[in-house]
Amino acid sequence: DIQMTQSPSILSASVGDRVTITCRASHGSSSWLAWYQQKPGKAPKLLIYKTSSLESGVPSRFSGSGSGTEFTLTISGLQPDDFATYYCQQYNTYTWTFGQGTKVEIK
Amino acid sequence: EVQLVQSGAEVKEPGESLKISCKGSGYNFNIYWIGWVRQMPGKGLEWMGIIYPGDSETRYNPSFQGQVIISADKSISTAYLQWSSLKASDTAMYYCARPRPELGNFDYWGQGTLVTVSS
Repeated sequence: DIQMTQSPSILSASVGDRVTITCRASHGSSSWLAWYQQKPGKAPKLLIYKTSSLESGVPSRFSGSGSGTEFTLTISGLQPDDFATYYCQQYNTYTWTFGQGTKVEIK
Repeated sequence: EVQLVQSGAEVKEPGESLKISCKGSGYNFNIYWIGWVRQMPGKGLEWMGIIYPGDSETRYNPSFQGQVIISADKSISTAYLQWSSLKASDTAMYYCARPRPELGNFDYWGQGTLVTVSS
C-alpha cells in the first residue's frame, strides 16, 4: 500500500506569509493527488484535485504542484481564514490514503 | 444541490452494535461510490471503505476489513456503516464522502457522526 507522509506536522506562520506543505508518497507515480482543508468540528473541504486543479470556489492563493512521489500545496499570502489543518490524499484503483495532516497555526 | 446528511451522534457501551447512516440527495445516488472516513479524537483522516450503491460492490481498507460492514439501500439513497461489537477504540468522528469519478478526490462530505463508546 502507498503511504503518504506530510511535512511539516505543524507550521507556524503569519498573515501574508507564503507557506508550503509537502506530501511524499512511499512509491508510485499517480497524479491523483488532492488537498483538503479542515477546521475544528468541520468536515474536510476539497481545495486541490488532480495535483494542481483548483476546486471551484477556492481562492487562487491556493495552488498545488508535483509529480511522481513528491507533491506540494502552496498558500500565497496566508489569510486569517487559512489557519487550519491540511491533508493530502492519494487515490489509486479503489484505494485512498491520506497524509497525517499539517496544522498551520498563527505565529 | 448535492447533499450527504448523516445520522446523529451516538453514545454506546462496549460490546453493543451500531449502524450509522448517510443519506444522499441532489444526484443519482445509484451511480456514485460512497466512502467512509474515520477521524479519531485529535487525529488524522483514515479511509475505511467504499460502496457502489447500484450493485453494492464494496471495497475495504485492509485495516478495517472484518471490523465494520458497509452497506447501502439504493431505494432510499442511504449508505450505512455498522459494527457488531463496539470497542472503546471505535470512538471517533465518522464521515461519509463521495469521490469524484476517475479522479478519486472526495468532493462532497457529510457533516460527520460522532460515535462515543464508553462504559
